[in-house]
Amino acid sequence: GQNIDQPTEMTATEGAIVQINCTYQTSGFNGLFWYQQHAGEAPTFLSYNVLDGLEEKGRFSSFLSRSKGYSYLLLKELQMKDSASYLCAVIDSNYQLIWGAGTKLIIKP
Amino acid sequence: IAGITQAPTSQILAAGRRMTLRCTQDMRHNAMYWYRQDLGLGLRLIHYSNTAGTTGKGEVPDGYSVSRANTDDFPLTLASAVPSQTSVYFCASSELTSHDYNEQFFGPGTRLTVL
Repeated sequence: GQNIDQPTEMTATEGAIVQINCTYQTSGFNGLFWYQQHAGEAPTFLSYNVLDGLEEKGRFSSFLSRSKGYSYLLLKELQMKDSASYLCAVIDSNYQLIWGAGTKLIIKP
Repeated sequence: IAGITQAPTSQILAAGRRMTLRCTQDMRHNAMYWYRQDLGLGLRLIHYSNTAGTTGKGEVPDGYSVSRANTDDFPLTLASAVPSQTSVYFCASSELTSHDYNEQFFGPGTRLTVL
């Protein structure tokens, strides 16, 4: 079966750095997305990785290792507004998007 | 309108009733999707449409039907609602091209409660 694993919840301090991990086991791989979802709102796109390595976009970076079935989202200089759920999603061999359950990130002052 | 709109925002429905959730996008995206989101389970695909006139089943299609008469609209119908269909429903769209996958844009969601 297809599976995406993320920690259920993480806590971090304002101004710090946090890394949210995502491991996947899917039938094929055609890319990986990270989305942010604030409570009661729709998911919004953060990043897309299809090749191994690090993609940096401002305070957010996303890393992919296809051989390890592993990705992480790195958030730097955390702000209170970063409190949200972070969803990892993988495109499988049929070009279907498989979603993880999401990681709820709590930022404390 | 800009982006994707969904209606209603929320609804309480008696079991056995028929309900249609509406979704409209103005981005001229060819692909549209319906998801349900339940606590601890993440987003699950109900139905999708890669282009107007075609639809396909996702991971959890039972009890739901869709139609795609034109590019902009993608309604989701619950023929006879059951309490297990209580969920938050998200509509999404993307520009789907061959051998390429673009980000999905989501509507604001419909919170449905079936009693």
